[in-house]
Amino acid sequence: GAVVSQHPSRVICKSGTSVKIECRSLDFQATTMFWYRQFPKQSLMLMATSNEGSKATYEQGVEKDKFLINHASLTLSTLTVTSAHPEDSSFYICSAGSSTGVENIQYFGAGTRLSVL
Amino acid sequence: KNQVEQSPQSLIILEGKNCTLQCNYTVSPFSNLRWYKQDTGRGPVSLTIMTFSENTKSNGRYTATLDADTKQSSLHITASQLSDSASYICVVSAGSSNTGKLIFGQGTTLQVKP
Repeated sequence: GAVVSQHPSRVICKSGTSVKIECRSLDFQATTMFWYRQFPKQSLMLMATSNEGSKATYEQGVEKDKFLINHASLTLSTLTVTSAHPEDSSFYICSAGSSTGVENIQYFGAGTRLSVL
Repeated sequence: KNQVEQSPQSLIILEGKNCTLQCNYTVSPFSNLRWYKQDTGRGPVSLTIMTFSENTKSNGRYTATLDADTKQSSLHITASQLSDSASYICVVSAGSSNTGKLIFGQGTTLQVKP
């Protein structure tokens, strides 16, 4: 299957700092990438959908000024958590949509564990 | 309301035994249903994906079934191994475009004991 690389896998930061997470589709072009957040023992919650070259679409309740998404190329999307607070500590997962094969198939990255002190 | 419900919430079995996980969904329009395995601290990995016309799909020791009439799916794991310990997530795709939403179940946490 297609490979999606997410970096870093783990980050610890101080409250008030910003953290950038990268998501790359390594062997295919992804016109659409998705960002999810997952709290312990809960399922993935979609935060936003990003399309290459356009503004991201955020889910209700997700602050677009706090979670900045950039999808500058067909293989790279970034999520920046600005002015991070302890309540932002979570597991963030990206996925990339493939435009070939089964409709609406998404390949997931390995996730980023964010801990805000 | 689009919804995916999984049962049981958690399950403990002995190594070598079989088990079946259940998934009920109310999603419209239905595009496909997939089962993912998520190890702790990792992203989900696809096990099977089925469209409306498919009744069963196998991937090694994993066999998924789909009944589109009753809107139910199951994931059967045969001859379980310790490495099968993980969360298994049922995900239904709503819509037909590449930007259609995925509706996630809460997952079933499986623990395989020696």
